[in-house]
Amino acid sequence: AQSVAQPEDQVNVAEGNPLTVKCTYSVSGNPYLFWYVQYPNRGLQFLLKYITGDNLVKGSYGFEAEFNKSQTSFHLKKPSALVSDSALYFCAVRDFSGGYQKVTFGIGTKLQVIP
Amino acid sequence: NAGVMQNPRHLVRRRGQEARLRCSPMKGHSHVYWYRQLPEEGLKFMVYLQKENIIDESGMPKERFSAEFPKEGPSILRIQQVVRGDSAAYFCASSPQQRGMNTEAFFGQGTRLTVV
Repeated sequence: AQSVAQPEDQVNVAEGNPLTVKCTYSVSGNPYLFWYVQYPNRGLQFLLKYITGDNLVKGSYGFEAEFNKSQTSFHLKKPSALVSDSALYFCAVRDFSGGYQKVTFGIGTKLQVIP
Repeated sequence: NAGVMQNPRHLVRRRGQEARLRCSPMKGHSHVYWYRQLPEEGLKFMVYLQKENIIDESGMPKERFSAEFPKEGPSILRIQQVVRGDSAAYFCASSPQQRGMNTEAFFGQGTRLTVV
């Protein structure tokens, strides 16, 4: 069964500093990996995805993620954090082993950017 | 092209009442997923439906919960005889196709159910 782990409940970073939100995954086949962001009392917004190709994936709002197959990781990064980036971030993996798409989410990491 | 539409956005029910949550997928999408987000927890998969078919309901509680996606109209998540533990945000997502399609699932804004 596929799974995603986000080891940090919360990440605090000062505005202007680089940020990293960690994610590791476990799948039986090729990984299809995603990051979503949830602002307070809102739905989930898609940030970026890795399907195949370059290990560094660029997404919305200046975010990027690095796929590392040997470490089974897909960490979310941003060179310079903004206060408006404060939100809940979910890593997700998509699996087709059942013959259909099924997305499994991590528990989420709360990002707090401090002015 | 409207996104995934969920209604109502907020729903308050007394214990023992029924809750009906609606989800209209994006235009052209025939696959619907329901997730539940409990306070301080992540998103938990509940059920996956295609038009008129339940494909995977492994995340659905065995009792009181049901889901449908009729040929016409929105997908409905139905919770009978609600209890306080059902209070959560319920999110619907849709996608156009499965294997081989390079696409992400699109999420609605969610329905926040409060049981009093």
